[in-house]
Amino acid sequence: DIQLTQSPSFLSASVGDRVTITCRASQGISSYLAWYQQKPGKAPKLLIYAASTLQSGVPSRFSGSGSGTEFTLTISSLQPEDFATYYCQQLNSYPPITFGQGTKLEIK
Amino acid sequence: EVQLVESGGGVVRPGGSLRLSCAASGFTFDDYGMSWVRQAPGKGLEWVSGINWNGGSTGYADSVKGRFTISRDNAKNSLYLQMNSLRAEDTALYHCARRGLGLSPYYYYMDVWGKGTTVTVSS
Repeated sequence: DIQLTQSPSFLSASVGDRVTITCRASQGISSYLAWYQQKPGKAPKLLIYAASTLQSGVPSRFSGSGSGTEFTLTISSLQPEDFATYYCQQLNSYPPITFGQGTKLEIK
Repeated sequence: EVQLVESGGGVVRPGGSLRLSCAASGFTFDDYGMSWVRQAPGKGLEWVSGINWNGGSTGYADSVKGRFTISRDNAKNSLYLQMNSLRAEDTALYHCARRGLGLSPYYYYMDVWGKGTTVTVSS
């Protein structure tokens, strides 16, 4: 199975900061990657699919890039509502679908 | 409003069975593949199973293969997960989720999620 490793696992940042989360795949997955945001007690929310396509309704401060084995999620200017846990997900080797271990973004 | 509502969770003893249901509304259910994703307490997301629009193609995580069965009833706009031979490690919040609109795995991301139903396996 394809493994996804996110870095960092924990990130402390301030409102207005630019932050980047990296997701590395154990083998090439083309652009078969999605990103999700999850807040405590809530279901995950799709942010980006196909590595760089912004889901409808998601603010433009979120962006995704990459292909093959290395991907990034960037938030250009952190807002208070962005503090959450972020997961990447690969779809290339279905089944199974796998998720990264998550990156918890906390307020500094 | 597009909505997914799960039900059927509960407390069950190891080796027992449960059937989860997911009621879909606000969209044309049989246009979409569906998935089950679980989250153990304090842990990350784990994909469990997926099914295509007509039930003709299914997939499972190795951790549940042979024990869980996914199915759907398009006439009832409902998705199901039959869980047998339950183990303590199956304890989790189970979400149903809608896949993106498309036939290839490129679209197997999850664009709509339910709030989940809790399964606890304990003696």
